[in-house]
Amino acid sequence: EAQVTQNPRYLITVTGKKLTVTCSQNMNHEYMSWYRQDPGLGLRQIYYSMNVEVTDKGDVPEGYKVSRKEKRNFPLILESPSPNQTSLYFCASSVGVGQFFGPGTRLTVL
Amino acid sequence: RKEVEQDPGPFNVPEGATVAFNCTYSNSASQSFFWYRQDCRKEPKLLMSVYSSGNEDGRFTAQLNRASQYISLLIRDSKLSDSATYLCVGNSGNTPLVFGKGTRLSVIA
Repeated sequence: EAQVTQNPRYLITVTGKKLTVTCSQNMNHEYMSWYRQDPGLGLRQIYYSMNVEVTDKGDVPEGYKVSRKEKRNFPLILESPSPNQTSLYFCASSVGVGQFFGPGTRLTVL
Repeated sequence: RKEVEQDPGPFNVPEGATVAFNCTYSNSASQSFFWYRQDCRKEPKLLMSVYSSGNEDGRFTAQLNRASQYISLLIRDSKLSDSATYLCVGNSGNTPLVFGKGTRLSVIA
């Protein structure tokens, strides 16, 4: 089944404790991206990657890092999470038409 | 700042009604457009692409008006299951995708 998977789906952590949210797709898509979604602000792109070893900042990259060592994986790294990074995070992948989204990761930073 | 703007709604319509949403975009370089549907606390799912010539899929019709820089989504014969938030997005090549904040639709029995 073609899909985008994210882990964990839910995470509660504390300020400053490094965390990684994994994203994997099995569709051989070149393009992958990360979004955060907050009430009243909609979906905002954090980082995107056009291909392996190619990453670019989206609209809200501060406080996040990504890597793209393999085509299928695109982890999102929060080196020192802060409460303003509490949000719902979506990973997505695509080739050409539209994007396929993962199920989301709900992150709470205390 | 290049933006995609949508009326947040909510649009409350009775079953069987026809409802239309518009989405305006400010980046004239945008090349491709899409409508997504998002149910509460779920991921967005691609509903349809939007072409200048119009795109129809069953009860759903999407159109692009480049001259006026807006895209539209028309839903005919609304069903209860159409209740969701509808997001539009513009893509101008290698720049970050910009999503609208969504329009909430509630179809009422």
